[in-house]
Amino acid sequence: DQQVKQNSPSLSVQEGRISILNCDYTNSMFDYFLWYKKYPAEGPTFLISISSIKDKNEDGRFTVFLNKSAKHLSLHIVPSQPGDSAVYFCAASEAGGTSYGKLTFGQGTILTVHP
Amino acid sequence: KAGVTQTPRYLIKTRGQQVTLSCSPISGHRSVSWYQQTPGQGLQFLFEYFSETQRNKGNFPGRFSGRQFSNSRSEMNVSTLELGDSALYLCASSEGTGGAYGYTFGSGTRLTVV
Repeated sequence: DQQVKQNSPSLSVQEGRISILNCDYTNSMFDYFLWYKKYPAEGPTFLISISSIKDKNEDGRFTVFLNKSAKHLSLHIVPSQPGDSAVYFCAASEAGGTSYGKLTFGQGTILTVHP
Repeated sequence: KAGVTQTPRYLIKTRGQQVTLSCSPISGHRSVSWYQQTPGQGLQFLFEYFSETQRNKGNFPGRFSGRQFSNSRSEMNVSTLELGDSALYLCASSEGTGGAYGYTFGSGTRLTVV
C-alpha cells in the first residue's frame, strides 16, 4: 500500500523555465509534507515543508502547494537551474504516537534541467 | 555544525554474515531514524530511536535491529545477511519533533551482499 505516490518518474525542463513536481497521498493523518532533493551517493537534502493547515509555503525559488481535498501537493521551482538536476522525493509524516521519526516517501522524480 | 555522519560508506559482506552500521547525529539531536533505500522499494523506514529508546519500528524482519547510546549515536545491525539486504542504508537525525523541522540525513552506507 503506497501512501505517497509520485507518478512521474522523470521530468525534463529547460533552464529558466518552471519545474513542477507532483505528489499524491492517501493517508488523511499526515500532518506535514516535505520535499527532499537527492544526488547519487548522497543522502536526501531537505528543501521545504508544509503543514497540513496551510496551502502554500514559499522559500526562495521553491514553493510548495497543498490541496488537502484532492490529497495532492506540488513543488514549483522557478526559475529552474541546471544545478537543480537531481531526484526529488516527496515525504509525509504523521503527528506523534506510533509515527515517531517516520517519514513515508514517494518513489521520487528525476528532474533534469537542460542549459 | 557538523552534519550526520555514517560509517562506513561502503561495505561488502557475504550471505549469512552480520553487519553493524554506525550513525552519529547532529549535535543536540536526540532522534535518529534509519531507512533502507533499494531500487525496487524506494526509501523505507526501519526504526527510530529517541533518548536510547526505540519509539517506532517499520515493517522489517527481526534480523534488523538497532540501538542508541547515551550520546545519541546509533547503530543498526543486520544478522544473517541475505542478497536482498543489498541497499543504501540512511540515517536521519532531528531534535525529536520532526514534522516541519524535517530530518537531516547522512550520506548513507552502501551495503553489498554477495
